[in-house]
Amino acid sequence: AQTVTQSQPEMSVQEAETVTLSCTYDTSESDYYLFWYKQPPSRQMILVIRQEAYKQQNATENRFSVNFQKAAKSFSLKISDSQLGDAAMYFCAYISSAGNMLTFGGGTRLMVKP
Amino acid sequence: DAGVTQSPTHLIKTRGQQVTLRCSPKSGHDTVSWYQQALGQGPQFIFQYYEEEERQRGNFPDRFSGHQFPNYSSELNVNALLLGDSALYLCASILTGGDWEQFFGPGTRLTVL
Repeated sequence: AQTVTQSQPEMSVQEAETVTLSCTYDTSESDYYLFWYKQPPSRQMILVIRQEAYKQQNATENRFSVNFQKAAKSFSLKISDSQLGDAAMYFCAYISSAGNMLTFGGGTRLMVKP
Repeated sequence: DAGVTQSPTHLIKTRGQQVTLRCSPKSGHDTVSWYQQALGQGPQFIFQYYEEEERQRGNFPDRFSGHQFPNYSSELNVNALLLGDSALYLCASILTGGDWEQFFGPGTRLTVL
């Protein structure tokens, strides 16, 4: 069974600075997708960024980028120029290309200090 | 274009009762997944419906059942409620054959007393 682990329950960053959230996963499959979701207090789960395992190039979306290390099964999220609106729970998630279910990590609460 | 909608927003039940939660997927999406998110934890997969049938199921007891209608909307039913069923229930909408992105609704907060 696949597992996703987020080892940082809470992180804090100063506004305008950079923060990195960690995620590791365990799978025996070679073809899969990884995601970072943001869940603000409004509870709506919002997709931040995605990475296809077959792509070597790390995904980027504006201020958000990932460091995908397939051999190490690591998938970290870097948020640059942090903004107050980035404060939320962040979840790392995995899905096999042959499967239908997302497997989530336990989440990291990100606080942004003004 | 309406996104994923869920109803009700929140509800309170007592132990032993039954509850039905509803989900309407994003326009054009044909697949619905349900997740349970306990307080302070990541979501856990309950099951997925496609073509009105349960396609995959997570590690949840038979008290959890579902249904998908011809218009792709879905219901989650939970019988004989336990205190431990208190959680946020999330519905996710997917386009089969698409790019694997799951669009989430705002969730239903269920409290069991």
